[in-house]
Amino acid sequence: DTGVSQNPRHKITKRGQNVTFRCDPISEHNRLYWYRQTLGQGPEFLTYFQNEAQLEKSRLLSDRFSAERPKGSFSTLEIQRTEQGDSAMYLCASSHEDRGLKQYFGPGTRLTVT
Amino acid sequence: EDQVTQSPEALRLQEGESSSLNCSYTVSGLRGLFWYRQDPGKGPEFLFTLYSAGEEKEKERLKATLTKKESFLHITAPKPEDSATYLCAVCGTSGTYKYIFGTGTRLKVLA
Repeated sequence: DTGVSQNPRHKITKRGQNVTFRCDPISEHNRLYWYRQTLGQGPEFLTYFQNEAQLEKSRLLSDRFSAERPKGSFSTLEIQRTEQGDSAMYLCASSHEDRGLKQYFGPGTRLTVT
Repeated sequence: EDQVTQSPEALRLQEGESSSLNCSYTVSGLRGLFWYRQDPGKGPEFLFTLYSAGEEKEKERLKATLTKKESFLHITAPKPEDSATYLCAVCGTSGTYKYIFGTGTRLKVLA
């Protein structure tokens, strides 16, 4: 396993701009998760894919957030019209449904909205 | 709704001073309870999965235990390199495979 990778690692953007993050899960992992983490808090669930299907999305998630996993491999998370409150670490995790419930996390993308 | 509460929020130990971290949870049904370690600026690193009450797992100086309402992470004779944030998460049986995390315990081990 080469591990979960995320790009970019850091992103600084101005309020109102759109940003897109990419996550490459461990090869053959069919479940992919996005989380948001702010300082002093645990990861907060955003959304979850099984293969290419988005099975659940947090009720707290604004319509400005959208995620895709077009071919069941990599995933993108887009935030439109960013706000200062969107500043956080965005974490991606993957797992395989036949290999237990263990999630493997990527290093995260640190977003700063100025 | 599934919930996870961790205590204490922060803990300072002297090297070699054993202690326990607590994770209290409420779920309609438990698929699994997870412990992760997180270093500053990095993604969480998996430690343990516990599936049912009475189960225990060990790894080096760490031991995780599970009851029907809570889990403990016991740290025996900690070293400075054990300093990190320890996160607890649950995956319940209601709905899809969604994980709920606690806010973590920030552990500092002093030499």
